[in-house]
Amino acid sequence: AQTVTQSQPEMSVQEAETVTLSCTYDTSESDYYLFWYKQPPSRQMILVIRQEAYKQQNATENRFSVNFQKAAKSFSLKISDSQLGDAAMYFCAYRSVNNNDMRFGAGTRLTVKP
Amino acid sequence: EPEVTQTPSHQVTQMGQEVILRCVPISNHLYFYWYRQILGQKVEFLVSFYNNEISEKSEIFDDQFSVERPDGSNFTLKIRSTKLEDSAMYFCASSEQGVFYGYTFGSGTRLTVV
Repeated sequence: AQTVTQSQPEMSVQEAETVTLSCTYDTSESDYYLFWYKQPPSRQMILVIRQEAYKQQNATENRFSVNFQKAAKSFSLKISDSQLGDAAMYFCAYRSVNNNDMRFGAGTRLTVKP
Repeated sequence: EPEVTQTPSHQVTQMGQEVILRCVPISNHLYFYWYRQILGQKVEFLVSFYNNEISEKSEIFDDQFSVERPDGSNFTLKIRSTKLEDSAMYFCASSEQGVFYGYTFGSGTRLTVV
């Protein structure tokens, strides 16, 4: 079974600075999809960014970008120009092409300091 | 932007009672899911539903749980004979056909079993 590991329970960043959240996963599959979700205090799960494993190019969405290292099974999220509204729990998730079961990491709580 | 709607936002129930959590997925989505998040813990997959039947379920989704799509819009999770450990946030999600699409999550129902 696939597992997703987020080794940083908590991270902190100064407003306007850049922060990188780590995620690794374990899989024997060659094709899959990876996601980062944000969960603000409202508890809603918001899709931040997604990456197809067969694409070498790293996904980018405005201030959010990923560093996808397929061989290392690593999928980190970089948040540039951090804003107070970025403060939230961030969950890395893996989804196989073969099933609908999305697996989540344990999450990283990001604090943004003014 | 289309939303997944969940009701109620918070439900308190006595141990042993049955609860029904309701969800209205995005209208053109074909896959539906329930996840739960025990406070402070990771988001866990419960069940996926497609074409009016369960397509996958986790080991958490035992005989205590059932899902139903009673009409063309609602998607419900029933928990029979609730236990204290069922207290959690329950998230409904839906996705378009095709595994690449990240899920759109609802804002969750906080279930408290007393």
